[in-house]
Amino acid sequence: TQRLEQSPRFLSIQEGQDFTARCSSSTTFPQLYWYRQVPREGPVILVTLVKSGEVKEQRRMTAKFGEARKNSSLFIARAQPGDAGIYFCTRASSSFSKLVFGQGTSLSVVP
Amino acid sequence: EAAVTQSPRSKVAVTGGKVTLSCHQTNNHDYMYWYRQDTGHGLRLIHYSYVADSTEKGDIPDGYKASRPSQENFSLILELASLSQTAVYFCASSEGQGAGQLYFGEGSKLTVL
Repeated sequence: TQRLEQSPRFLSIQEGQDFTARCSSSTTFPQLYWYRQVPREGPVILVTLVKSGEVKEQRRMTAKFGEARKNSSLFIARAQPGDAGIYFCTRASSSFSKLVFGQGTSLSVVP
Repeated sequence: EAAVTQSPRSKVAVTGGKVTLSCHQTNNHDYMYWYRQDTGHGLRLIHYSYVADSTEKGDIPDGYKASRPSQENFSLILELASLSQTAVYFCASSEGQGAGQLYFGEGSKLTVL
């Protein structure tokens, strides 16, 4: 199965706190993508992870790809209200023709 | 300027009625997709297409048809709308096989009464 498990499903934090979303699968990911969705809009890609053990840093965000290619984490430091939304991890299907989405981590940031 | 536009943005339909959701992209992408989003289920793929005049079934195609008359346009058709099809529908496009970076529209909220 290509099912993706994300945790936590819901999280509310204070502004300035750190946030980590996790994603895992029983099968390996050929590639992994993180998207963020805000209300009344479609998801927007944040980062692409391709190599085992890869780490990508963008401003306050750090994304990691597990060595075994079965898990990933997305870390946001000093969260701001503008970081709120649903964070999805996604992977390509085995045929590489489509994306499979996790159920998402819904983040709210309280000022 | 939005590269993937959907219409209508919101629609109320009656059970048994026909609904057509339209999507237009200016990305010059070959791949287009229709996803459905329900609370607690993330996004699930209904139909997709990689070339005009051809469509493929996704993970939940039952009750839906799709049409790709041109590279730019991709429609989702509900011939007999049902209550269970109340959801937000997203269209997306991507450059090619691999489907890594999808560009989504703003969504179409469908309510079936």
